[in-house]
Amino acid sequence: DGGITQSPKYLFRKEGQNVTLSCEQNLNHDAMYWYRQDPGQGLRLIYYSQIVNDFQKGDIAEGYSVSREKKESFPLTVTSAQKNPTAFYLCASNSPLGTGITDTQYFGPGTRLTVL
Amino acid sequence: AQSVTQPDIHITVSEGASLELRCNYSYGATPYLFWYVQSPGQGLQLLLKYFSGDTLVQGIKGFEAEFKRSQSSFNLRKPSVHWSDAAEYFCAVGPRGAQKLVFGQGTRLTINP
Repeated sequence: DGGITQSPKYLFRKEGQNVTLSCEQNLNHDAMYWYRQDPGQGLRLIYYSQIVNDFQKGDIAEGYSVSREKKESFPLTVTSAQKNPTAFYLCASNSPLGTGITDTQYFGPGTRLTVL
Repeated sequence: AQSVTQPDIHITVSEGASLELRCNYSYGATPYLFWYVQSPGQGLQLLLKYFSGDTLVQGIKGFEAEFKRSQSSFNLRKPSVHWSDAAEYFCAVGPRGAQKLVFGQGTRLTINP
């Protein structure tokens, strides 16, 4: 089955530690996205990547970092510089440009990060 | 600035009743509009989308939405809700290609038996 997987589903971190959230897709999509979801605030874009080895900051990139070494993978690192990292993190993908356009963003099941 | 407003944070309706969830947007170019649904602790599922053509759009699970350019609105409707429709609903706007979507704050729907 094609889709987006995120792991782990739940993640606990001590203050001052970096942690990496995994996002993998087998939809052959070019673009991938990371969102943060907090109660009552909808989804806010952290980073996005339209192509391998390239990514752009979203609206709330401070304290986060990403890499895009493979088309299928877009891991997000929450660094110790992120002041309030406890949230639900969602990964999405689509193919907005070129041939085989899949404009709809498809979402993974999410990772809930809790800082202890 | 681009923005999406969902005026109702929480709505409660009885099973079998009709439903309308409101969405107002501010967007400088021709908008690409989406409605997503999220069950607790899950990812988002697309209900429907609109870019051009017929302003009344049909989606999955019996939902429909109407685009009204003059009112900058894209309200979601369902004639008769089922208990399984209880979830959170998000409206989003973006460019053609759906990069950099802007989401509303969400509307939580509760269904009374």
